[in-house]
Amino acid sequence: GAVVSQHPSRVICKSGTSVKIECRSLDFQATTMFWYRQFPKKSLMLMATSNEGSKATYEQGVEKDKFLINHASLTLSTLTVTSAHPEDSSFYICSAISSLAGGNEQYFGPGTRLTVT
Amino acid sequence: GENVEQHPSTLSVQEGDSAVIKCTYSDSASNYFPWYKQELGKRPQLIIDIRSNVGEKKDQRIAVTLNKTAKHFSLHITETQPEDSAVYFCAASVTGGGNKLTFGTGTQLKVEL
Repeated sequence: GAVVSQHPSRVICKSGTSVKIECRSLDFQATTMFWYRQFPKKSLMLMATSNEGSKATYEQGVEKDKFLINHASLTLSTLTVTSAHPEDSSFYICSAISSLAGGNEQYFGPGTRLTVT
Repeated sequence: GENVEQHPSTLSVQEGDSAVIKCTYSDSASNYFPWYKQELGKRPQLIIDIRSNVGEKKDQRIAVTLNKTAKHFSLHITETQPEDSAVYFCAASVTGGGNKLTFGTGTQLKVEL
């Protein structure tokens, strides 16, 4: 149980275009999902916290107009990188907390490798 | 906000030896401390976690110790095997405080034959 999927796993896009990444909890409901960015050989940096039915909470330094997050249901959160530039190339990982577990274990998705050319 | 420091950044051990990775945190309100193993290009995998109401937890070859007073916690891997080679991250969070994880900077563990 507690499986989180992400789609796509890899995406290459041209500079200036937008890219949408989906994060789904497959066998549980997640009231809270998190989006992280990980540069090569670096740690995971939290970008934002996504709560179902409400606006995402962004970490300091993360542009909310550039990284649009929508948490439309208890099993789906999306991250849209708008007007992508080469410096946005990174590994984007989502995680989810089960609404039933009562704990704080985060279940991670497999990640999405974004390359902006 | 929370700040988590992790040492060492790289660790090389011989197969069968023990490996120890240490982390310190700054926020005394943190009460949940997971450890993750991440292989290249893969998702982080939870290998063990500890809550602030216990000082030590063990699961086969892996153990974690927590010193709340000193605000540090450590991962201990015994009888290391080549498949233990990966990047290990510690993290800290506050249960109910948004459950946000703050990650350490990571330790590249290499187990040599």
